[in-house]
Amino acid sequence: QKEVEQDPGPLSVPEGAIVSLNCTYSNSAFQYFMWYRQYSRKGPELLMYTYSSGNKEDGRFTAQVDKSSKYISLFIRDSQPSDSATYLCATNAGNNRKLIWGLGTSLAVNP
Amino acid sequence: ETGVTQTPRHLVMGMTNKKSLKCEQHLGHNAMYWYKQSAKKPLELMFVYNFKEQTENNSVPSRFSPECPNSSHLFLHLHTLQPEDSALYLCASSHISDNEQFFGPGTRLTVL
Repeated sequence: QKEVEQDPGPLSVPEGAIVSLNCTYSNSAFQYFMWYRQYSRKGPELLMYTYSSGNKEDGRFTAQVDKSSKYISLFIRDSQPSDSATYLCATNAGNNRKLIWGLGTSLAVNP
Repeated sequence: ETGVTQTPRHLVMGMTNKKSLKCEQHLGHNAMYWYKQSAKKPLELMFVYNFKEQTENNSVPSRFSPECPNSSHLFLHLHTLQPEDSALYLCASSHISDNEQFFGPGTRLTVL
């Protein structure tokens, strides 16, 4: 079993849709959870960073962690074509900087 | 220059060539990383340097040789690579006490 599972998609939605991206993980010791966005021909950039369970909101983006079910989500409201990218989830058990990554989900938002 | 820069952006090399990838960070960080990104695989951590000392080598073949002369510069020396080494090689940096890593744009490597 992979430590982090993420459906690679692709996911295609119309502009303005609410997008839900998800990852599951197997190690209950994971405490730090990150979402990175990667545009084509670019490196990943950190989008959201949460610690332990709960929600975190930043503009149109909401990150959600459910440690009881080992499930992390990223919601994008009012999606825009500029949100078209690959979204990668990452986690680790402590502040040791050795991140465990999902495969990434490819998202296309169509005008 | 800002952030993390990588050169070259694209590299095509034969299996007998020797080449080097360069990474430079302008963020004042003290940790640097090399990752390999291949299709249908998660990001693979290759090497970690803290204050220019190597602290992690994730069973990377010896045909990949990293070098970190100072906290701002990181190199990956390549020799006698295999076609399966073709991938996007990403450099990242962070503060030594922080999970947040900042990535460069990557070098797209093709081994013929």
